[in-house]
Amino acid sequence: DTGVSQDPRHKITKRGQNVTFRCDPISEHNRLYWYRQTLGQGPEFLTYFQNEAQLEKSRLLSDRFSAERPKGSFSTLEIQRTEQGDSAMYLCASSLGSGSGQGNEQYFGPGTRLTVT
Amino acid sequence: TQLLEQSPQFLSIQEGENLTVYCNSSSVFSSLQWYRQEPGEGPVLLVTVVTGGEVKKLKRLTFQFGDARKDSSLHITAAQPGDTGLYLCAGETNFGNEKLTFGTGTRLTIIP
Repeated sequence: DTGVSQDPRHKITKRGQNVTFRCDPISEHNRLYWYRQTLGQGPEFLTYFQNEAQLEKSRLLSDRFSAERPKGSFSTLEIQRTEQGDSAMYLCASSLGSGSGQGNEQYFGPGTRLTVT
Repeated sequence: TQLLEQSPQFLSIQEGENLTVYCNSSSVFSSLQWYRQEPGEGPVLLVTVVTGGEVKKLKRLTFQFGDARKDSSLHITAAQPGDTGLYLCAGETNFGNEKLTFGTGTRLTIIP
């Protein structure tokens, strides 16, 4: 059984370049989440999908950010014209989101560490 | 706005001691999760609490959800160096429908 995987694990890019990250969720999970975590802080929600539908986006997700989950399986997060303030750990999580009253248990991938120089 | 406040922010204790970490909010949560995160890795889910007043045990870790579902605590008995890490609480406001709101974390160091 594989957990959530993310690729790449590390990305160093120059300011102004575009970057794309990939997340493969746990196979039976229909919900997929993106979070961003900066040093010394807890993760902050960016966006989430139920199957292929993007249901919510945080105000943190500027116009330079776009996320897709075209077939309801893997997802990509693209950042255009990167800025130094985009440097962070980008985390992906998935869940069953059953709403069964057992809580929305989210399982996280190892993250992609982005450094913008 | 950070809805969940964790305390203490940093805690360094000797192996074998007991400790408690707190997670407080003015908001009511339908569920609350505790995670542990190692440097350079994603958070790992430890437990989910759903019912007010609920207590769950995971070996030497005891988790409690407040009666009003606004706060939670994590108690570790006889801490070991392997318990070292960043402990994060995260709350969900609607069952299965929303993102998690994370606290700022408690960085725990157990000294051998």
